Amino acid sequence: AQSVTQPDIHITVSEGASLELRCNYSYGATPYLFWYVQSPGQGLQLLLKYFSGDTLVQGIKGFEAEFKRSQSSFNLRKPSVHWSDAAEYFCAVGVPGAQKLVFGQGTRLTINP
Amino acid sequence: DAGITQSPRHKVTETGTPVTLRCHQTENHRYMYWYRQDPGHGLRLIHYSYGVKDTDKGEVSDGYSVSRSKTEDFLLTLESATSSQTSVYFCAISPGAAKNIQYFGAGTRLSVL
Repeated sequence: AQSVTQPDIHITVSEGASLELRCNYSYGATPYLFWYVQSPGQGLQLLLKYFSGDTLVQGIKGFEAEFKRSQSSFNLRKPSVHWSDAAEYFCAVGVPGAQKLVFGQGTRLTINP
Repeated sequence: DAGITQSPRHKVTETGTPVTLRCHQTENHRYMYWYRQDPGHGLRLIHYSYGVKDTDKGEVSDGYSVSRSKTEDFLLTLESATSSQTSVYFCAISPGAAKNIQYFGAGTRLSVL
């Protein structure tokens, strides 16, 4: 069965600094890959997705993610974070045809002024 | 929140009482899902539906039942609530042809005392 690991439970960065959130997955083939963001008290919002093709994908709010097949990773990046980026971020994998997602444990991002 | 309404948004109940949470969508999407969110566990799938009267279990289905009598409504029932079911519950929907993309409601915070 597929699984997702987000190694960092909590990350703190300064406003304006760069950000990278890690995501590793376990699946025999190339899955569909997603990053979602959850602001406090809110539901999850889709940031970006990867299905196939170009391994660098762009999302909303200035985020991007890179799929690396050799490392089974799909790390999320942003060159310069804003205080409004403070939230919890979830990586998820979907098995083609299965219509279900498996989520990682989440990474909570704190922004220092 | 992509035309998804969860009700109630907050509920406090006592151990042993039945509880029903409702998810209503206006998108006419085929797939609907119930997740629970707990610290350190990310989101875990409870049950999902792939059509009217068609449902299946997720990874944490014990103690929960679901029903879908109309495309737009997906009900989650705790027959006899326990303290371990204190959680935040999220409904999600998916059109099914969009490579597992899911859209989430705002959540229901349930406390079982």
